[in-house]
Amino acid sequence: SQQGEEDPQALSIQEGENATMNCSYKTSINNLQWYRQNSGRGLVHLILIRSNEREKHSGRLRVTLDTSKKSSSLLITASRAADTASYFCATDAYNTGRRALTFGSGTRLQVQP
Amino acid sequence: NAGVTQTPKFQVLKTGQSMTLQCAQDMNHEYMSWYRQDPGMGLRLIHYSVGAGITDQGEVPNGYNVSRSTTEDFPLRLLSAAPSQTSVYFCASSYGTGPQLETQYFGPGTRLLVL
Repeated sequence: SQQGEEDPQALSIQEGENATMNCSYKTSINNLQWYRQNSGRGLVHLILIRSNEREKHSGRLRVTLDTSKKSSSLLITASRAADTASYFCATDAYNTGRRALTFGSGTRLQVQP
Repeated sequence: NAGVTQTPKFQVLKTGQSMTLQCAQDMNHEYMSWYRQDPGMGLRLIHYSVGAGITDQGEVPNGYNVSRSTTEDFPLRLLSAAPSQTSVYFCASSYGTGPQLETQYFGPGTRLLVL
């Protein structure tokens, strides 16, 4: 089963609105990473947040991490049509013996111009 | 820097054929990995490597082989292609083999269709 699960699976908003995506995971983590994937393309890294951090910002992106609830959220403020993409969270699980990120199934964001 | 490159971009195989998907990076990254992505889904890990000569299995390794003879290259071999291996394959790399996995840099992907 997936370590990270995004919610909602799909989100449609108008340009200028904020978009919030959530990620839940099951085991303790070293860090959690968010990626964007434009249709038919490879994934692009957005933000990495470590287990001892609670919030990080990058431009119009804000990521929070609540390790007690095993959840993270990605907020995109003042969205643009160019933000239309799929967004994935990925977890670096702690002490599993396998050195690999585990990806969720993603949130498909559609920003209407 | 070219970053992570993958060849071919698209491939059609017949059931039972074998082929190698190429992945190369020019960032001197120690960690490299292969994922597959099926329609509407996230990425599933096939194999990974923490350095030249060291590989390990991921979540879905059956039907695939890897080797890592150099830091730069991490080819993925399909031994006997099956329709279930129709997917988009992504290679990724990152710095270091410290206690945490850092930012992953992804290639553009190889679309594979097995008939």
